[in-house]
Amino acid sequence: AQSVTQPDIHITVSEGASLELRCNYSYGATPYLFWYVQSPGQGLQLLLKYFSGDTLVQGIKGFEAEFKRSQSSFNLRKPSVHWSDAAEYFCAVGAKQAGTALIFGKGTTLSVSS
Amino acid sequence: KAGVTQTPRYLIKTRGQQVTLSCSPISGHRSVSWYQQTPGQGLQFLFEYFSETQRNKGNFPGRFSGRQFSNSRSEMNVSTLELGDSALYLCASSLGSGSFQGQETQYFGPGTRLLVL
Repeated sequence: AQSVTQPDIHITVSEGASLELRCNYSYGATPYLFWYVQSPGQGLQLLLKYFSGDTLVQGIKGFEAEFKRSQSSFNLRKPSVHWSDAAEYFCAVGAKQAGTALIFGKGTTLSVSS
Repeated sequence: KAGVTQTPRYLIKTRGQQVTLSCSPISGHRSVSWYQQTPGQGLQFLFEYFSETQRNKGNFPGRFSGRQFSNSRSEMNVSTLELGDSALYLCASSLGSGSFQGQETQYFGPGTRLLVL
C-alpha cells in the first residue's frame, strides 16, 4: 500500500536560516507528489507539486522540492526562512489506484525562532 | 475566482446526534473530496464525488456518507456521532476529467471543525 513518511514531527529553524523538510514515500511506480502548508485554523494551501519532468520543482513563497526516485524522497527546501513560514507542512502522494485520494504524511510542524 | 467554501465553520454536537456539512467547490470544478483531520490519525480520505456519483471511498464506517448535487456542491453526513468523530473536516475540489484523478491539483477549503461532546 502507498504510504508517506515525514520523519520529523517538529523542526525549529532560526529566521534567515535554510530549511529542509523530509518526505519519503512508498509506491511501486512514479507517484504524483505534493507539498501543502497549513497555518493554524486554516485549510491546506498547495506549495508545489511534481508530476513528471524536471525533478526540481519550484513553488510559491520561495519553496522548492526535489524528487529523487532512487531515494523515494521528495524533500522540501527553502534557502531563507521567514517568521511567517511557521506552520504545519504536509507531504502527499496521489496515485492512480487511489483515484483522487491523496495520501498524506503526518506532517512536520515548523517553528521559526528570531 | 472564489475558493472552496465550507459551512458551517464550527459545530458542536452531542453523541448520538447527526450532522451535515456543506462544501461549495471552486466554480467549474466537478470533483469534490472530503478528508478528516485529527491529531492522532492525521489527514484521512473519506470519499470523492464526481458528477453526482461517489467514485472513491476511504476506510470509514457507513455512518459517514455524502452526496453531490448537479451544481457540484457536496454535503457529507455523519450519523450517530461518536466522541472520536471530533475533527476538522476538509473539503477539496478539483477540475475532474472522468479519468485518473490523482494527478489533479486539489484546492482545499478552510474546513469545518466539529466537536462532539
